[in-house]
Amino acid sequence: AQSVAQPEDQVNVAEGNPLTVKCTYSVSGNPYLFWYVQYPNRGLQFLLKYITGDNLVKGSYGFEAEFNKSQTSFQLKKPSALVSDSALYFCAVREFIDMRFGAGTRLTVKP
Amino acid sequence: SQTIHQWPATLVQPVGSPLSLECTVEGTSNPNLYWYRQAAGRGLQLLFYSVGIGQISSEVPQNLSASRPQDRQFILSSKKLLLSDSGFYLCAWNPGGQAYGYTFGSGTRLTVV
Repeated sequence: AQSVAQPEDQVNVAEGNPLTVKCTYSVSGNPYLFWYVQYPNRGLQFLLKYITGDNLVKGSYGFEAEFNKSQTSFQLKKPSALVSDSALYFCAVREFIDMRFGAGTRLTVKP
Repeated sequence: SQTIHQWPATLVQPVGSPLSLECTVEGTSNPNLYWYRQAAGRGLQLLFYSVGIGQISSEVPQNLSASRPQDRQFILSSKKLLLSDSGFYLCAWNPGGQAYGYTFGSGTRLTVV
């Protein structure tokens, strides 16, 4: 079965600094990878996905993700963090029918 | 455009009472539909999914059930709620196929007292 792992429960960055949220994956076959963001008491919102092609994927709100096949990683990045980026971030891998989510990483951006 | 509606937003129910949460999707047909539960604002647990009317797959045996009486309607139910059923319930849909992500509803915060 496909799976993803998010090794960090919490990431803290200062506003204006670059941010990285880590994710590693385990799949058989081609990976279909996603990042979602969740604000308090809200549903998850789609940020970006990797299906095939360029290893750097651009998404919503200035986020991008770097796919690295040799390291089986799919890291979420943003060049300059905003306080409003503070939220819970989920990495996910698409199965044939459903999607498997990581445990989530809570990002806190401090002013 | 497609939209997903989930209600109610919050619900406080006594132990032993029944539950019915509803999710509907507009602007598409034959969507794959999903119910997730999120405990303690963290990981997501897949509860049920459906690829068509009347077709329900259960991931975890528990106190809950799901039904899909219409193409774009997905209902989560319980006959008797337990304290452990408290959590944040999320409905999601996708058009099928691995290249597509999910679109989530806004969630229902259920507190069983």
